Amino acid sequence: QVQLRESGPGLVKPSETLSLTCAVSGYSISSGYFWGWIRQPPGKGLEWIGNIYHSGSTYYNPSLKSRVTISVDTSENQFSLKLSSVTAADTAVYYCARLEGTYHPYYMDVWGKGTTVTVSS
Amino acid sequence: QSVLTQPPSVSAAPGQKVTISCSGSSSNIGNNYVSWYQQLPGTAPKLLIYDNNKRPSGIPDRFSGSKSATSATLGITGLQTGDEADYYCGTWDSSLSALVFGGGTKLTVL
Repeated sequence: QVQLRESGPGLVKPSETLSLTCAVSGYSISSGYFWGWIRQPPGKGLEWIGNIYHSGSTYYNPSLKSRVTISVDTSENQFSLKLSSVTAADTAVYYCARLEGTYHPYYMDVWGKGTTVTVSS
Repeated sequence: QSVLTQPPSVSAAPGQKVTISCSGSSSNIGNNYVSWYQQLPGTAPKLLIYDNNKRPSGIPDRFSGSKSATSATLGITGLQTGDEADYYCGTWDSSLSALVFGGGTKLTVL
């Protein structure tokens, strides 16, 4: 059974970089699939942040692209998110997920439980 | 504003049927597969429907999906109180080169 678990600081100061890691168990990242991040601000809907293919190629939300970096560490079977220059608008629950797709991601079939990140001084 | 449009809320009695619509355009729903997600209160979203109308293993056949032109519909029959949740549609947008979602629909089982 594939499981994903997010980890990282729950509080980040404005203008700093948000860093999260997603540990994958039950499946080897290097075997395939896209691996990505989705966030949900308090009381709002879902927003796709971006994803990385097991080979390392990436897709980013155009609205966040200038601030986002997603990387993969196949030796640790985990992938990471970095979001720079954060503001209060980046406060959200951050989910990592496995995404199915071919030339681009189609849908998320496995989700982590999510981790809450608050941006505040 | 979400790229895909869903009604904010729907409601129905236990045992009844409800449908949730998701409207888009030719750059997203019109030319890409649609997926649906259920988010129970305080939990992560869960995949309900993928590729317009396919159910992952473990999803009961009370849940169904369909697509026509630039709109998609999620149907739920035999409503149960445990179905109370937020439901989201999603798809790839070829113009934006991004995964996009609807704003979500809150289902209330009266």
